[in-house]
Amino acid sequence: AQTVTQSQPEMSVQEAETVTLSCTYDTSENNYYLFWYKQPPSRQMILVIRQEAYKQQNATENRFSVNFQKAAKSFSLKISDSQLGDTAMYFCAFMKPPNFGNEKLTFGTGTRLTIIP
Amino acid sequence: GAVVSQHPSRVICKSGTSVKIECRSLDFQATTMFWYRQFPKQSLMLMATSNEGSKATYEQGVEKDKFLINHASLTLSTLTVTSAHPEDSSFYICSATRRGLSGELFFGEGSRLTVL
Repeated sequence: AQTVTQSQPEMSVQEAETVTLSCTYDTSENNYYLFWYKQPPSRQMILVIRQEAYKQQNATENRFSVNFQKAAKSFSLKISDSQLGDTAMYFCAFMKPPNFGNEKLTFGTGTRLTIIP
Repeated sequence: GAVVSQHPSRVICKSGTSVKIECRSLDFQATTMFWYRQFPKQSLMLMATSNEGSKATYEQGVEKDKFLINHASLTLSTLTVTSAHPEDSSFYICSATRRGLSGELFFGEGSRLTVL
């Protein structure tokens, strides 16, 4: 079974600064997807970024980027120029090689990020 | 983008009653829908996977007779919490995969159930 570990229950950073959230996972699969989801106080799950394990290049989405280290099974999220709207719970998630109808996500325990004005 | 809607967003019921939560894909056909449960300040735990027209697959430890899942069409899945008790109070979230687009999930807004 896959496991996802987020070792930082809470983090806080000043607005405009950069913050990195950690995530490690354990799997015997060679190909898989990794995700970072954001859950603001509204509780709506929002996809932040996605990485396919067979791609060596780290995914980026505007201010959000990942550092994917496949051998180390590490998948950290970097948020640059943090904004107040980034305050939320962040979940790292793992998906086994997706086949249609088999896109189950295994979530980490989450990191509560607070951006301080 | 693909939209998934859940209804109701909040429900309060008395102990012993049954509650139905709907999950609809509004602008796409959902190959599969997933139901998650989230306790306060905790992560999402997968409860079951449902495919249209077939029985749901439940995760280990989830009582299928307690949490009835029906996936009647490619756009609708329902979760019924039967004979609800206070310990069933939780936040329930559905997600759906889009036909022809593997590896991408779309989440509903969630439903908060409070059992008195």
